[in-house]
Amino acid sequence: NAGVTQTPKFQVLKTGQSMTLQCAQDMNHNSMYWYRQDPGMGLRLIYYSASEGTTDKGEVPNGYNVSRLNKREFSLRLESAAPSQTSVYFCASIFDKGALNSPLHFGNGTRLTVT
Amino acid sequence: AQSVTQLDSQVPVFEEAPVELRCNYSSSVSVYLFWYVQYPNQGLQLLLKYLSGSTLVKGINGFEAEFNKSQTSFHLRKPSVHISDTAEYFCAVSASGGYQKVTFGTGTKLQVIP
Repeated sequence: NAGVTQTPKFQVLKTGQSMTLQCAQDMNHNSMYWYRQDPGMGLRLIYYSASEGTTDKGEVPNGYNVSRLNKREFSLRLESAAPSQTSVYFCASIFDKGALNSPLHFGNGTRLTVT
Repeated sequence: AQSVTQLDSQVPVFEEAPVELRCNYSSSVSVYLFWYVQYPNQGLQLLLKYLSGSTLVKGINGFEAEFNKSQTSFHLRKPSVHISDTAEYFCAVSASGGYQKVTFGTGTKLQVIP
C-alpha cells in the first residue's frame, strides 16, 4: 500500500542543469498536485492536474513544467535550475479536487539543492 | 482573497503539558479550515478539518480545534502532549471548492521537551 511515491528523495543540481521529479500514486486518484515548501513560507502550489489530460498553474509556476503522463503519474520538470528553486518538493493527490471532505495524500518529498 | 496566519513559528512545551497552536484567517466568504501535521522527513497528514456544523472539531491523536467565526480563528489544542507530537503543524484555509484553492500557513514547529 504505497500511496504517493516520489523519486528521487534527494538531488543536487548545478545552476542551469535540468531534471524531472517523478510522482506516482496507486490510489486511483484523479487530481494531483505539486507543492514547494520553503522555510517561513509554508507550502505553495506550483502546478496541479485536476484530472488525466489536464494541467493548470498554481501560485508559483515560473521555471517549472509538468506532465500528467497517465492517471497514476504526474512529473515536475525544471528545465534550467536556479538557486531560487532550492526547496523541498511535495507531490499530493486526492480522488477529486473538490472533495474537501477527504484529505490530501502527500508523498515524502524531494529535497532539491541548486548550487 | 484568502490568507492564513500562524503567528508562532516555534512552540516549546513540556511533555504532558497542554498546548495551543494559533491560526487566524481572513476571507470575505465562508471558509473551510484544516490542520495538517508533518513529522520529520515525511509528507503532510490531515489532523482535522472544519467544513460546517459543530465548531469544535476533534481530530486524530487527541487534537481538537475550535472554529471561531467572530475572531476568524481556528486554534489547535491538545490537553496533554507526548514526545511523539513533536512535528510541524500547518493550518490551511479554502474559501471556495477545490484543493487548488487551499492556502497553507507558514507552519508552527511544536517541540515537546521531556
